[in-house]
Amino acid sequence: GQQLNQSPQSMFIQEGEDVSMNCTSSSIFNTWLWYKQDPGEGPVLLIALYKAGELTSNGRLTAQFGITRKDSFLNISASIPSDVGIYFCAGQRGAQKLVFGQGTRLTINP
Amino acid sequence: EAGVVQSPRYKIIEKKQPVAFWCNPISGHNTLYWYLQNLGQGPELLIRYENEEAVDDSQLPKDRFSAERLKGVDSTLKIQPAELGDSAVYLCASSLLRGGTGELFFGEGSRLTVL
Repeated sequence: GQQLNQSPQSMFIQEGEDVSMNCTSSSIFNTWLWYKQDPGEGPVLLIALYKAGELTSNGRLTAQFGITRKDSFLNISASIPSDVGIYFCAGQRGAQKLVFGQGTRLTINP
Repeated sequence: EAGVVQSPRYKIIEKKQPVAFWCNPISGHNTLYWYLQNLGQGPELLIRYENEEAVDDSQLPKDRFSAERLKGVDSTLKIQPAELGDSAVYLCASSLLRGGTGELFFGEGSRLTVL
């Protein structure tokens, strides 16, 4: 079945640093979504991407839909304590089910 | 606008007991999903509804799991009997677009512990 590989699995950074994470797949997707999950909560949608090469921003977050349609990237600029959490990528092809990655756990040292 | 509402938030039961989770999607969202999230993993789809019709239940363990969405609005997910390995978070999500496409909005989840 389809699998998404997220990298890195965890990150430990200092407040104010920029963050980069990515998601790769062996299959082509035509939709990429990025979610953030806080402890004890459900995932919250951050950014949705629908076109190869698309670059979309949401505040300090920027995500890109890879040209090959097999990857996506999420960047967070000038991290702050509330950015702590687990970030999930999710990909979808047509009407097939949305497939989630394993998550990247972000920890920020003040 | 109210988000996806789930209950209960937490449930602790002994193995072999039944358990049920309830979900009310965002108003106007015809598509409803139940996901399973194991510790340290991403969500995995159990079942997707378009209105009251289950259009993708291929990942639902039908020997012990069942779900319904009788009036095409709220939904119930049941496990009977529960096993130790069922301990996980059960997430409900809804989306506006049909066909399983578009942006999913999740509830807070129901955390199940089976002893």
